[in-house]
Amino acid sequence: AQSVSQHNHHVILSEAASLELGCNYSYGGTVNLFWYVQYPGQHLQLLLKYFSGDPLVKGIKGFEAEFIKSKFSFNLRKPSVQWSDTAEYFCAVKPDNYGQNFVFGPGTRLSVLP
Amino acid sequence: EAGVAQSPRYKIIEKRQSVAFWCNPISGHATLYWYQQILGQGPKLLIQFQNNGVVDDSQLPKDRFSAERLKGVDSTLKIQPAKLEDSAVYLCASSLVVSGFYGYTFGSGTRLTVV
Repeated sequence: AQSVSQHNHHVILSEAASLELGCNYSYGGTVNLFWYVQYPGQHLQLLLKYFSGDPLVKGIKGFEAEFIKSKFSFNLRKPSVQWSDTAEYFCAVKPDNYGQNFVFGPGTRLSVLP
Repeated sequence: EAGVAQSPRYKIIEKRQSVAFWCNPISGHATLYWYQQILGQGPKLLIQFQNNGVVDDSQLPKDRFSAERLKGVDSTLKIQPAKLEDSAVYLCASSLVVSGFYGYTFGSGTRLTVV
């Protein structure tokens, strides 16, 4: 069965620092990749997604992610974080195969210090 | 557009009691999912419906969990009897297409505490 790992459980940054959250998956076939964000007390929201084409994907709020097929990775980046980016970030993978569902990673909690 | 509605927001029950959660997906979304999110973990799929049919319930503990989506719209998830390890947030999500191309839209979840 496919699995998703996220490198860090908790990341603490100061405002304006650069962010990179790691995500790796195990699945040999074609996959669709997602990053979701969950702000404190709110529901999960889609940040960005990759289905095909340019492996560098831009999402909302200045986030981007790069799909590196050879490394089975889909790392999330932001050049300068803000206090409002404090949230839990989940990487999710869906094999491009009908009947196979999303698998979420365990999440990375990001704390941005003002 | 209105989001995915879930109720109740919070529920505290004693072990061995039963509990039910309700979900109303976004209008027109044929695919509905129930996820369990235990504290510190990512959401885990419990069951997926396509209209009123079950597509995937392989990770649903069927001895105690049940779910239905009778008219292909609203859905209920029931736990009977509850165990301490069922304490989690139960998330409902819906999507326009099965592939998830547009992502899922999640509800706010129901936080269940079993004592």
